[in-house]
Amino acid sequence: QSVLTQPPSVSGAPGQRVTISCTGSSSNIGAGYEVHWYQQVPGTAPKLLIYGNSNRPSGVPDRFSASKSGTSASLAITGLQAEDETYYYCLSYDSSLSGLLFGGGTKLTVL
Amino acid sequence: QVQLVESGGGVAQRGGSLRLSCAASGFNFRDFAMHWVRQAPGKGLEWAAVMWYDGRDKKYADSVRGRFTISRDNSRNTLYLQMNYLTADDTAIYYCARGGVQGPIDYWGQGTLLTVSS
Repeated sequence: QSVLTQPPSVSGAPGQRVTISCTGSSSNIGAGYEVHWYQQVPGTAPKLLIYGNSNRPSGVPDRFSASKSGTSASLAITGLQAEDETYYYCLSYDSSLSGLLFGGGTKLTVL
Repeated sequence: QVQLVESGGGVAQRGGSLRLSCAASGFNFRDFAMHWVRQAPGKGLEWAAVMWYDGRDKKYADSVRGRFTISRDNSRNTLYLQMNYLTADDTAIYYCARGGVQGPIDYWGQGTLLTVSS
């Protein structure tokens, strides 16, 4: 079964660095398909945070970065701020599904 | 600026049908693939369907295949989602979104809520 696995929650203190993992398989991330990351504040539409594994759209602070290796990807947030406390999702294409696949989402708590 | 405005959500009966629309503006609609993504209350994002920029192909998630039909009218800059045989599991906010067939999705609408009642 095609799935992108994210930790349900992560936390960190203000100013610290946190990472959110996204683990896939040979039909998605492992097949070389790009990983994209989204930030979603409850009650609003998702916002593109990272595209093409590691690229930031204009306007996204450089505190946000991402990487990909093998069948996994990760989002890193440095210099945590209170406003970063929300939900984060990874996205990739899956060849078995012939469609897009979202991770289950991760809630970031800023302590 | 890019704008995607969904409409057509509301309350539908189990087993019933509903059609969502998404009016696009601020970009050349006919140049982009378009998606529907949904989010059940308190749950994560679920990709539902995509249509190629020229309408020549479309793909669906297993959860909606055979019941939902994505379509577009490039002359009206509008994307549609015809939903049939609705179940309680279809209750969700439905987002219209622009993006490549293999991603990324770069712009989202504000979403429209579908509630399926018994």
